[in-house]
Amino acid sequence: QQPVQSPQAVILREGEDAVINCSSSKALYSVHWYRQKHGEAPVFLMILLKGGEQKGHDKISASFNEKKQQSSLYLTASQLSYSGTYFCGTEIKEYGNKLVFGAGTILRVKS
Amino acid sequence: NAGVTQTPKFRVLKTGQSMTLLCAQDMNHEYMYWYRQDPGMGLRLIHYSVGEGTTAKGEVPDGYNVSRLKKQNFLLGLESAAPSQTSVYFCASSFLGNQPQHFGDGTRLSIL
Repeated sequence: QQPVQSPQAVILREGEDAVINCSSSKALYSVHWYRQKHGEAPVFLMILLKGGEQKGHDKISASFNEKKQQSSLYLTASQLSYSGTYFCGTEIKEYGNKLVFGAGTILRVKS
Repeated sequence: NAGVTQTPKFRVLKTGQSMTLLCAQDMNHEYMYWYRQDPGMGLRLIHYSVGEGTTAKGEVPDGYNVSRLKKQNFLLGLESAAPSQTSVYFCASSFLGNQPQHFGDGTRLSIL
């Protein structure tokens, strides 16, 4: 039931945009997004609780299509600080109370 | 504000040894989780707790035990360590299951 993230890795230049996708085979209550820098703990970015919900802050936003069981994370005008591994965590309706994380997407932003 | 604190930060064990990892949170969170992170596999849930005195199995519970005797603490035990348990272990906590999870800095465990 692990969600599938794509792409596995992406390299950008500063100022470019990126989209990271997360797809589940199970019905979802919510999708969480986290970023982890090398050697550090994952850090919460945002939660999407309702189908169709879109959230964002600064130049990072996300959407959740409940019917398709998919979420996408949008990074616009990328900065060097955006580099890291991005994980989606899915709250599956069948299980509740816990997240199942994807394998991660490695994002590297170059100057 | 300490947040989520994990001890120890590093440990090397021999096969068959036992040890306990401690997680402490000062945010009055109900939910606590133990994950392991291996290269290319993301975060996999070992065990979790939805409140003091409760525990439940996650995706990869075999070889581990947990206890939540106090709300602020969540202990992860390895009774007989195996090389396959070499990993980075993260503890996390949240108010509820659909709220943001706050992670500790991790414990890097090597089993020889």
